[in-house]
Amino acid sequence: GAVVSQHPSRVICKSGTSVKIECRSLDFQATTMFWYRQFPKKSLMLMATSNEGSKATYEQGVEKDKFLINHASLTLSTLTVTSAHPEDSSFYICSARAGESVSDEQFFGPGTRLTVL
Amino acid sequence: GENVEQHPSTLSVQEGDSAVIKCTYSDSASNYFPWYKQELGKGPQLIIDIRSNVGEKKDQRIAVTLNKTAKHFSLHITETQPEDSAVYFCAASIWGTGNQFYFGTGTSLTVIP
Repeated sequence: GAVVSQHPSRVICKSGTSVKIECRSLDFQATTMFWYRQFPKKSLMLMATSNEGSKATYEQGVEKDKFLINHASLTLSTLTVTSAHPEDSSFYICSARAGESVSDEQFFGPGTRLTVL
Repeated sequence: GENVEQHPSTLSVQEGDSAVIKCTYSDSASNYFPWYKQELGKGPQLIIDIRSNVGEKKDQRIAVTLNKTAKHFSLHITETQPEDSAVYFCAASIWGTGNQFYFGTGTSLTVIP
């Protein structure tokens, strides 16, 4: 099956610093990648949708200047949490979709646990 | 927009018994309904999905049923095993449009040995 990786799996940073999370599709080209945030024992909250080569589409209430998303290639998307604060601590999960003409399945990465001190 | 509700939020069953999780959706245009299993500290994994052109789909111990008229779909796990313990999420989407998935709130399933 399709594999999506995320790096790092865990990161601890100081308040005010920026953190970059990578999402890679390992064996397929992802035309669309999604970034989710998940609080403990809660559902997945869609933050933004990114298409390769274009600007990300952010969901209402998500600050685009705080959560920078780049989808520079068909296998890599990055989420940068800028000037992180303790309230940004969360589990961040990406997913990737091969393409509308092939499949609408979303393949999820293993997630990144961000802790901001 | 689409609203997906999921019940129950927690479910405990004895090993070997069946487990049923139910979801309802609001948008009649939704026609793709995947189910995901998420283990602690990991990302969700697709376990089964169904499109609206069928009413039921089965894969070994897992089955999903769909009632388009009532706008609800259910996950059925038979002969449960301890390794089935996890959080399960349903989702709804419109196939082929590239639209986002709308997720339910999750069900924490515990299978008691």
